[in-house]
Amino acid sequence: QKEVEQNSGPLSVPEGAIASLNCTYSDRVSQSFFWYRQYSGKSPELIMSIYSNGDKEDGRFTAQLNKASQYVSLLIRDSQPSDSATYLCALTETLNDYKLSFGAGTTVTVRA
Amino acid sequence: GAGVSQSPRYKVTKRGQDVALRCDPISGHVSLYWYRQALGQGPEFLTYFNYEAQQDKSGLPNDRFSAERPEGSISTLTIQRTEQRDSAMYRCASSFSLFGEQFFGPGTRLTVL
Repeated sequence: QKEVEQNSGPLSVPEGAIASLNCTYSDRVSQSFFWYRQYSGKSPELIMSIYSNGDKEDGRFTAQLNKASQYVSLLIRDSQPSDSATYLCALTETLNDYKLSFGAGTTVTVRA
Repeated sequence: GAGVSQSPRYKVTKRGQDVALRCDPISGHVSLYWYRQALGQGPEFLTYFNYEAQQDKSGLPNDRFSAERPEGSISTLTIQRTEQRDSAMYRCASSFSLFGEQFFGPGTRLTVL
């Protein structure tokens, strides 16, 4: 599996602030990128997917992809205590590859 | 509708025993994936099926691990002669198609004593 690197955190942000999470990957051919949220003791759930360079916004979440720099990020605006979770970066290697390679995750704590 | 279900939710076994972990995907989902997640890590790919065909088993650690999905629905991951290093959370995911979002089940926590 390809290497996916994330800062483990914890990342602590005050309520209402922006949480910024970063992910770098080692293989230039990686095609599809995903952010999963995992609450403690629960299973991962998909919150964002991004396939092309640039920004993609969905509600309070924005994913940013830069394939040249092999970098994908997730911004959480107006952070809420319910956003406290571990955020997992994942990718697929090629267009015909459907298995996900995950990073170790970044733990986010939103302080009320 | 019902999500991905896995059974048992917890399994404690002694070293050397065989275990079978079951995954029941979301109805209509043709693709099924098995992952293993260690504490503090992201899920690690094991194998996946498209319908009943096992398309990729490159993530299975060794030949003690096998998986099947004979009728293209329920899948079983079998670990023979378990070892303590097999202890982990085993997660199953399914998707409507190969390109679809993967929905994860609650996992089976395996502990090998």
